[in-house]
Amino acid sequence: DQQVKQNSPSLSVQEGRISILNCDYTNSMFDYFLWYKKYPAEGPTFLISISSIKDKNEDGRFTVFLNKSAKHLSLHIVPSQPGDSAVYFCAAGTYKYIFGTGTRLKVLA
Amino acid sequence: DVKVTQSSRYLVKRTGEKVFLECVQDMDHENMFWYRQDPGLGLRLIYFSYDVKMKEKGDIPEGYSVSREKKERFSLILESASTNQTSMYLCASRPGRKETQYFGPGTRLLVL
Repeated sequence: DQQVKQNSPSLSVQEGRISILNCDYTNSMFDYFLWYKKYPAEGPTFLISISSIKDKNEDGRFTVFLNKSAKHLSLHIVPSQPGDSAVYFCAAGTYKYIFGTGTRLKVLA
Repeated sequence: DVKVTQSSRYLVKRTGEKVFLECVQDMDHENMFWYRQDPGLGLRLIYFSYDVKMKEKGDIPEGYSVSREKKERFSLILESASTNQTSMYLCASRPGRKETQYFGPGTRLLVL
């Protein structure tokens, strides 16, 4: 029973356009949410997080949106760059974080 | 700068061997975690520890044990390695609740 789901295994976007990665969760007790980026043969790198008391958090080109009623969060990357090509994982939880299965983003030059 | 290190990047072991994977963090974090990453399954939590000598099972603890004798070190033990434990193992640490979790570079384990 997956508590955190990323339903799109892959996504391709043109350089300069917006990338939108989606994540759904089932546990309404989750109060902290994070996005990580992962390159092959490396550990995940933290990108951005959001607490359940907020609905939006921005950091440079990255913005995370949280819709608690829909139990949905999304990561927007604007503008997308070829170096953003990687696997993106969302995570959610309280004292332990549950990770989704990842979305492979490919930014085309 | 945040630093989580893992003892090996690549490891090849035989079925039935006892395997130790070590993780060290230099940030005085309370919480440490072991995950495995497999294609199509994402990162799955094996065990975690919120204090020295304390441990809790994650979602897939079967076939694994852990040890945390010192705050900075968290070891994952495969008592008798099996081929289905071939995977990428990732260690992470975190200061407290609702905070960023930092990952090590990972250990790619192959069990033959």
